[in-house]
Amino acid sequence: GPKVLQIPSHQIIDMGQMVTLNCDPVSNHLYFYWYKQILGQQMEFLVNFYNGKVMEKSKLFKDQFSVERPDGSYFTLKIQPTALEDSAVYFCASSSTGDITGQLYFGEGSKLTVL
Amino acid sequence: QQKVQQSPESLIVPEGGMASLNCTSSDRNVDYFWWYRQHSGKSPKMLMSIFSNGEKEEGRFTVHLNKASLHTSLHIRDSQPSDSALYLCAASMGYQNFYFGKGTSLTVIP
Repeated sequence: GPKVLQIPSHQIIDMGQMVTLNCDPVSNHLYFYWYKQILGQQMEFLVNFYNGKVMEKSKLFKDQFSVERPDGSYFTLKIQPTALEDSAVYFCASSSTGDITGQLYFGEGSKLTVL
Repeated sequence: QQKVQQSPESLIVPEGGMASLNCTSSDRNVDYFWWYRQHSGKSPKMLMSIFSNGEKEEGRFTVHLNKASLHTSLHIRDSQPSDSALYLCAASMGYQNFYFGKGTSLTVIP
């Protein structure tokens, strides 16, 4: 089935450093999402992105977070500077209104550990 | 405020038994409901979706939806140990803005 690729799968950084998480969405998808999950618990919505713009963001999407997808390349989540509470697994997802099911397809996640 | 509430938080059923999971949205703007299954250490995969009032069955899995109360339920019959996972309910406004509940952790005991 359709694949969403995420790079890196795991990153360990020191608090205060910058991190960029990369996502290669399904090729014909138009909507992109980032979710945060801690310890296999709730999948918490961070942000969604359509047509080059942030459509909606949650309270978890702090000022230190930013997203972009320059010229159809990777959809990225940047955190600068990182904090201890940013340690989590970050899932990228994509969907398309053209897909008959309209479902979200998730990547395998990027596990971020902030020391 | 949590847009999607799931119950129970955890559920243990014997192999071959029936598992019933519940989900309700407090946001009257949602119109589609989705059930995702996430095995430990993996990404969520869509299990079933339901958009209209009534029931939908696929193999051992049945979902119900009551749009008036924004309540959906997932029932798994003849549960197998491989069904042990975190079950996430999501509600969306069309194909946008997917909101997830906290999940129900299902354990099927052989």
